[in-house]
Amino acid sequence: EDKVVQSPLSLVVHEGDTVTLNCSYEVTNFRSLLWYKQEKKAPTFLFMLTSSGIEKKSGRLSSILDKKELFSILNITATQTGDSAIYLCAGTAMRFGAGTRLTVKP
Amino acid sequence: GAGVSQSPRYKVAKRGQDVALRCDPISGHVSLFWYQQALGQGPEFLTYFQNEAQLDKSGLPSDRFFAERPEGSVSTLKIQRTQQEDSAVYLCASSLLAGVADTQYFGPGTRLTVL
Repeated sequence: EDKVVQSPLSLVVHEGDTVTLNCSYEVTNFRSLLWYKQEKKAPTFLFMLTSSGIEKKSGRLSSILDKKELFSILNITATQTGDSAIYLCAGTAMRFGAGTRLTVKP
Repeated sequence: GAGVSQSPRYKVAKRGQDVALRCDPISGHVSLFWYQQALGQGPEFLTYFQNEAQLDKSGLPSDRFFAERPEGSVSTLKIQRTQQEDSAVYLCASSLLAGVADTQYFGPGTRLTVL
């Protein structure tokens, strides 16, 4: 059965800290891993990863995929209070992890 | 439209009532997905449409759940004889391409509360 496991489930940091969120997956017919940020409403897209070892960056966020070890990480540097959200990863559209709830304190 | 829209945003139903939830995807998007998200959990897949064809309904929890997308655009998720365990946020997402590997754009969700 397909599964996506995220860790940690929750994380509390202070502004300026760097965080690393983890996502491991076992998905049949894997083609892409996607990261989303969910605040109060709908998830919003962050990254799509299809190739191993190629880092994708967007501002202070970056992510990388390891298809051999079946995991991905999402890094956020110099965290801000606006980064507080639930971060979801999905192995294809159908299978989401439970999310990591990040809280950034001032 | 500019994004995926869903209606109603909130729905309160008495146990046993039928409900219908609507999703308007981004115009031209081929793929449409429905998810159920319980508090503190990630979205759980319910069903997937490619245009008007329902290609996967393996996530529908029971035969009380039914979804359709008759003209390949707007979709409706219907829940018959609602039960308390159906209380959740129902998310709809669309993506431009066919298949399950493309970026999805989510609607704001419908929060269903069954009393």
